[in-house]
Amino acid sequence: AQSVTQLGSHVSVSEGALVLLRCNYSSSVPPYLFWYVQYPNQGLQLLLKYTSAATLVKGINGFEAEFKKSETSFHLTKPSAHMSDAAEYFCAVSVLGYSTLTFGKGTMLLVSP
Amino acid sequence: ETGVTQTPRHLVMGMTNKKSLKCEQHLGHNAMYWYKQSAKKPLELMFVYSLEERVENNSVPSRFSPECPNSSHLFLHLHTLQPEDSALYLCASSPRGGDGYTFGSGTRLTVV
Repeated sequence: AQSVTQLGSHVSVSEGALVLLRCNYSSSVPPYLFWYVQYPNQGLQLLLKYTSAATLVKGINGFEAEFKKSETSFHLTKPSAHMSDAAEYFCAVSVLGYSTLTFGKGTMLLVSP
Repeated sequence: ETGVTQTPRHLVMGMTNKKSLKCEQHLGHNAMYWYKQSAKKPLELMFVYSLEERVENNSVPSRFSPECPNSSHLFLHLHTLQPEDSALYLCASSPRGGDGYTFGSGTRLTVV
């Protein structure tokens, strides 16, 4: 079975600072990996996904993530935080041919002026 | 508009009421899901439908009853709920093959 671990339930950054949200996965077969963002009282919106093509994946709103098999990681980064990035971020994993996603517990990103 | 529409957005119901949540997608996806999101708890997968057949049921109490009449619609029928069932209920859909979900905006359910 697959699983994901998100390190840190809350991450605080200043506006303009680097954003780094950590995700490690466990999977016995090559995984598909996803990052989702959730704003208050909204559903989850797909930021980006890795599906075994390029290991550096670019998503919406300036976010990107790098798949590192040796570290079983898929950390989310953004060079410069904006106030509008404040939200909860979820990492998720699925395996090829089986569509159910397994989500991490989420990381709340707080951005201060 | 995300492509997955959930109604109602907010619902307050008593413990003896019967109500239904509705989810609709016109993305051509053939799998649909119900998730429960409670405060300070991880997302809980409740039900999975693939090609209108229920393929997963994660030990959800019988007071929650899903229905998938066709590939575009998914319902969650609720009856005799408990206050701990208050949560955000999220619907999602996906194509086959693990290519990610599209989520609706959710129904905020409060049981009084």
